[in-house]
Amino acid sequence: DAGITQSPRHKVTETGTPVTLRCHQTENHRYMYWYRQDPGHGLRLIHYSYGVKDTDKGEVSDGYSVSRSKTEDFLLTLESATSSQTSVYFCAIAEGYEPNTGELFFGEGSRLTVL
Amino acid sequence: KNQVEQSPQSLIILEGKNCTLQCNYTVSPFSNLRWYKQDTGRGPVSLTIMTFSENTKSNGRYTATLDADTKQSSLHITASQLSDSASYICVVSRGGSYIPTFGRGTSLIVHP
Repeated sequence: DAGITQSPRHKVTETGTPVTLRCHQTENHRYMYWYRQDPGHGLRLIHYSYGVKDTDKGEVSDGYSVSRSKTEDFLLTLESATSSQTSVYFCAIAEGYEPNTGELFFGEGSRLTVL
Repeated sequence: KNQVEQSPQSLIILEGKNCTLQCNYTVSPFSNLRWYKQDTGRGPVSLTIMTFSENTKSNGRYTATLDADTKQSSLHITASQLSDSASYICVVSRGGSYIPTFGRGTSLIVHP
């Protein structure tokens, strides 16, 4: 298994509170991604990173921010959680983007419930 | 627009039967196509990768095909087992891009 760990795995919070999810990898892979998965929508990209301090927005980035100060850690922050952000969040890593290096390795997911 | 469409959305079959899942894409320029399996409560795991020059690739009871001309791929599962119950996701990568395009997945349920 790829060395990728998400924390926390489960969290219940209230509307308006900030939440930070952490993704930690031991593979030294360059690319890291945050996805959310909702019924009927599949996996949707929130933010991604192509190196330390190099990040960019995905298709559903509103209400989320990220930071990557070290190769191994990629943090996802919900600045003020809303009920629409109740979801399962997956972190993924990839060594590169060529066919032989572009396989995505996913974490086990973080289930977030916003009341 | 780069898109990946999967069909059917869901499928129920009896244990031991075969099934085929479909993936159509408009991603261009094409680099590769991967099928991922996602068990309930887990992250997706890659089953197989297809590049432009490959037509068929097998991984145990899973066989993927690719028709780059029609931009279609299929995943055939032979002699299904209860453990095949999962969501199967088609993911297509563009040349030079590190942002792959995901299909919404096919949910497969295998009944005993």
